[in-house]
Amino acid sequence: AQSVSQHNHHVILSEAASLELGCNYSYGGTVNLFWYVQYPGQHLQLLLKYFSGDPLVKGIKGFEAEFIKSKFSFNLRKPSVQWSDTAEYFCAVNARTGRRALTFGSGTRLQVQP
Amino acid sequence: GAGVSQTPSNKVTEKGKYVELRCDPISGHTALYWYRQSLGQGPEFLIYFQGTGAADDSGLPNDRFFAVRPEGSVSTLKIQRTERGDSAVYLCASSAGVQGETQYFGPGTRLLVL
Repeated sequence: AQSVSQHNHHVILSEAASLELGCNYSYGGTVNLFWYVQYPGQHLQLLLKYFSGDPLVKGIKGFEAEFIKSKFSFNLRKPSVQWSDTAEYFCAVNARTGRRALTFGSGTRLQVQP
Repeated sequence: GAGVSQTPSNKVTEKGKYVELRCDPISGHTALYWYRQSLGQGPEFLIYFQGTGAADDSGLPNDRFFAVRPEGSVSTLKIQRTERGDSAVYLCASSAGVQGETQYFGPGTRLLVL
């Protein structure tokens, strides 16, 4: 069975600080990896995804993530956060072939202080 | 509206009652997913439709939960004999039906069982 671990449950940063949110997954096969974001009062939306190719993936709003296969990790990074990045961030995985359902981590709440 | 829509946005019911939650996917999307999100957790998969048929219902917690998609577009999630533990946000997502693609989420229905 698939599982996703997000080790940071609540992160508080000041504006302009750098961000790295951890994500590790457990799955025996080849996977697709996703980061979704949920801004206050809004629905889940995709930040970025890895399907194949370059393991360094760039997404919207300056976010990027690196897939490290040997570590089963897909950490999310941003060099300089803004107050508007305050949101909950979810890492998710599904199988490259077969089961399409997403397995989500429990989320990381990011609070950026102005 | 080009996005996934869900109705109602909020539903309060009494223990033992029957409820129906509706999802209207993005036009042309053949794949439709239902997830459930409890407080402080990431979304958990319930069921996935490809067209009119349930391709994967392995996430349904028990036989009180049922979902249909009779014409391959709108889907209804049905919960019989509701229990307090069913209280959660029920999310719907749709995608174009290709492996590795993005699932687009709706705003969710917040269900409260008293």
